Amino acid sequence: DTEVTQTPKHLVMGMTNKKSLKCEQHMGHRAMYWYKQKAKKPPELMFVYSYEKLSINESVPSRFSPECPNSSLLNLHLHALQPEDSALYLCASRSETGGNSPLHFGNGTRLTVT
Amino acid sequence: GNSVTQMEGPVTLSEEAFLTINCTYTATGYPSLFWYVQYPGEGLQLLLKATKADDKGSNKGFEATYRKETTSFHLEKGSVQVSDSAVYFCALSDRIDQAGTALIFGKGTTLSVSS
Repeated sequence: DTEVTQTPKHLVMGMTNKKSLKCEQHMGHRAMYWYKQKAKKPPELMFVYSYEKLSINESVPSRFSPECPNSSLLNLHLHALQPEDSALYLCASRSETGGNSPLHFGNGTRLTVT
Repeated sequence: GNSVTQMEGPVTLSEEAFLTINCTYTATGYPSLFWYVQYPGEGLQLLLKATKADDKGSNKGFEATYRKETTSFHLEKGSVQVSDSAVYFCALSDRIDQAGTALIFGKGTTLSVSS
């Protein structure tokens, strides 16, 4: 069982829809991440939050909008997506913001944009 | 910048065969190194890690040794099982900016084990 919980597991949305992906962890971790993974590819970093502040945005289009309401929650708001945005979106957390501890991943939300 | 290179496979083995998946890295300094495994339809699970040169990470029969002189972190298992069939990712911890670090992944190696 993963300690990082992502909802929903699957999401189908049209290009004009607005939806949100949610991620929750109760391990007291202070760094949280969004990664995007296309089929048969490695995860690609999108955003990093450190102590609930956005610290890294890897040139992600503005149709993806992250939010960290508190230290346990991470959201990814989606608006006006394109079919090429269909992918597995992975949330991860880490106990420290710097350093070299491992990331703990959720099982992801599989997004399909029609 | 920092990067990870791993053999892409697919690797196809019979049950009880010996497994090696090669991973080399390019980095400034001495990053921590990780192996993650991804089963179909799931997220990534940490398999093992090493934080400094000559460290050996091990878990579930898998091992990898952090080799500074060859900048490598090859994954090995003496006897694979059908249940080991998955995609394996080598990764390093990279400082992105002053604020924090993230994992940089290799392209992944698909392992298929048949009985």
